[in-house]
Amino acid sequence: GQQLNQSPQSMFIQEGEDVSMNCTSSSIFNTWLWYKQEPGEGPVLLIALYKAGELTSNGRLTAQFGITRKDSFLNISASIPSDVGIYFCAGQIGGATNKLIFGTGTLLAVQP
Amino acid sequence: EAGVVQSPRYKIIEKKQPVAFWCNPISGHNTLYWYRQNLGQGPELLIRYENEEAVDDSQLPKDRFSAERLKGVDSTLKIQPAELGDSAVYLCASSPKQGGKLFFGSGTQLSVL
Repeated sequence: GQQLNQSPQSMFIQEGEDVSMNCTSSSIFNTWLWYKQEPGEGPVLLIALYKAGELTSNGRLTAQFGITRKDSFLNISASIPSDVGIYFCAGQIGGATNKLIFGTGTLLAVQP
Repeated sequence: EAGVVQSPRYKIIEKKQPVAFWCNPISGHNTLYWYRQNLGQGPELLIRYENEEAVDDSQLPKDRFSAERLKGVDSTLKIQPAELGDSAVYLCASSPKQGGKLFFGSGTQLSVL
């Protein structure tokens, strides 16, 4: 099945560092969502973006909806150990299709 | 408010055996999804329901997979017979409307031996 390209594939950082990850697609999306998944759990929604160019924050997390509508970025500032997990982007076409397509995921490890 | 509830959490079966997963979505959510997540990958859609109607089942392997959502609330996903390649996490999600945010359950981890 189709999956969006996410990079980097994994990141190993020190506590307190800032983190950036991005997601790209060959298709245009109307909505971008960012999820975090911890071991043994389902993905949990972090941020939703609905307009090209939109910049939205949720605590230490900031995400942007790319101008071309084919990409999105997630930044985490001042990382802490509980940020550990796999981060997935997801693009939604919307309308009657309403299909949500996930990225390949970015594994984040934070060393105290 | 209770989240999406799935059961069982884990299932181990031998190949060629049948297996079923159950999902109770968030109350009031009309749209229900079944996703499959293979190890190291993102979730991939199997089927989407609007109330009791399956509106997108293009990715569901219909020779062995079936799903139902009677009365437009709970849903079950069945595999019969299971194959080794079916080992994965099966996630259920719901959203209040088309185009709405998806909320996921904890998933059922299936191991086919």
